[in-house]
Amino acid sequence: ELKVEQNPLFLSMQEGKNYTIYCNYSTTSDRLYWYRQDPGKSLESLFVLLSNGAVKQEGRLMASLDTKARLSTLHITAAVHDLSATYFCAVDIPGTASKLTFGTGTRLQVTL
Amino acid sequence: KAGVTQTPRYLIKTRGQQVTLSCSPISGHRSVSWYQQTPGQGLQFLFEYFSETQRNKGNFPGRFSGRQFSNSRSEMNVSTLELGDSALYLCASSPTGREQYFGPGTRLTVT
Repeated sequence: ELKVEQNPLFLSMQEGKNYTIYCNYSTTSDRLYWYRQDPGKSLESLFVLLSNGAVKQEGRLMASLDTKARLSTLHITAAVHDLSATYFCAVDIPGTASKLTFGTGTRLQVTL
Repeated sequence: KAGVTQTPRYLIKTRGQQVTLSCSPISGHRSVSWYQQTPGQGLQFLFEYFSETQRNKGNFPGRFSGRQFSNSRSEMNVSTLELGDSALYLCASSPTGREQYFGPGTRLTVT
């Protein structure tokens, strides 16, 4: 059974600081997704990482994937309050592509 | 393109009742997946339909069922509702089943 673990579960950080969210998964996969969810809202797709060594950046967020270590990171640079949300990573297993297994989520709170 | 739409957005039901939720995918998308999100269990996969056929199923009891129509619209049904079925139900569509685009969700409260 595929397991996806995220840490930390909760992150409180000051504006301007940097931090990294980690996502570990237990089974070989070639695709990892990062989503953002605001309270009471749906999931917004942030990144799709397709191969080992993939790195994608959008604004203050950068995601990377190491398939050998089964690890993805979401790095936040110079956080701003607007980044406050819950971030989920998700993995699918080849052959069951539509079945995403999500991590527990990391609730990020950026304080002024 | 219009995004994924779900109706209704909010629903309150009583234990023992049944409920039907609807999802209209992005035009051209043939895959529709359903997820349940609760504070305790997080986001869990329910099932996926592709071209009117259930292609994948999660670990939910038989009270949870779904179907997909020829226009790719999908419905999920929960019978004999329990308090624990209170959740946000998210629908996602995809052209192939891989990268998924999520709808706004239906918030179901069972009392």
